[in-house]
Amino acid sequence: GAVVSQHPSWVICKSGTSVKIECRSLDFQATTMFWYRQFPKQSLMLMATSNEGSKATYEQGVEKDKFLINHASLTLSTLTVTSAHPEDSSFYICSASTRRSNQPQHFGDGTRLSIL
Amino acid sequence: GEDVEQSLFLSVREGDSSVINCTYTDSSSTYLYWYKQEPGAGLQLLTYIFSNMDMKQDQRLTVLLNKKDKHLSLRIADTQTGDSAIYFCAESNAGNNRKLIWGLGTSLAVNP
Repeated sequence: GAVVSQHPSWVICKSGTSVKIECRSLDFQATTMFWYRQFPKQSLMLMATSNEGSKATYEQGVEKDKFLINHASLTLSTLTVTSAHPEDSSFYICSASTRRSNQPQHFGDGTRLSIL
Repeated sequence: GEDVEQSLFLSVREGDSSVINCTYTDSSSTYLYWYKQEPGAGLQLLTYIFSNMDMKQDQRLTVLLNKKDKHLSLRIADTQTGDSAIYFCAESNAGNNRKLIWGLGTSLAVNP
């Protein structure tokens, strides 16, 4: 089946650090990738949708300058949390899908970000 | 806007069947999904169903869709302790840039 790899799985860093999270589709071309944030015991909150080669579309309330998304190739998207602060601590999950409308999203294993 | 609702908790005995229910409001829904999330992990796609189908079966999993009532269910036969997880129902339609609208998740506890 479709495999999506997300790295790193866990990050602990000091406040003010920028953190980059990678999301790779290993065995298919991901024309669209999605970035989610999940708070403890809650559902997923979509942050942004990125299509390969174009700018990401951010959901309302998500700061595009804070959460930089790059989707430069059909197999890689990155999320950079710039100048991270403790309130950015969360579980970040990416998903990827192909251009075909009947194909579901396949998810990475998530990144747990802890800002001290 | 679109909404997806699920019951939050379900507890079953090992070997019994589990039925997790989901309702949605989007009448334009095209696909409906069930994802499984184990603690600290990402989401695993279990199964999905196209809106013109009534039922889909895959090994121990049976999905039933009542489009008239906008009701989706996931039945897990012979539930095992390894099935303990949170199960998310989600829907999408062709008109919303394929965004998924998520339920809050049902926490399934399987007791030995």
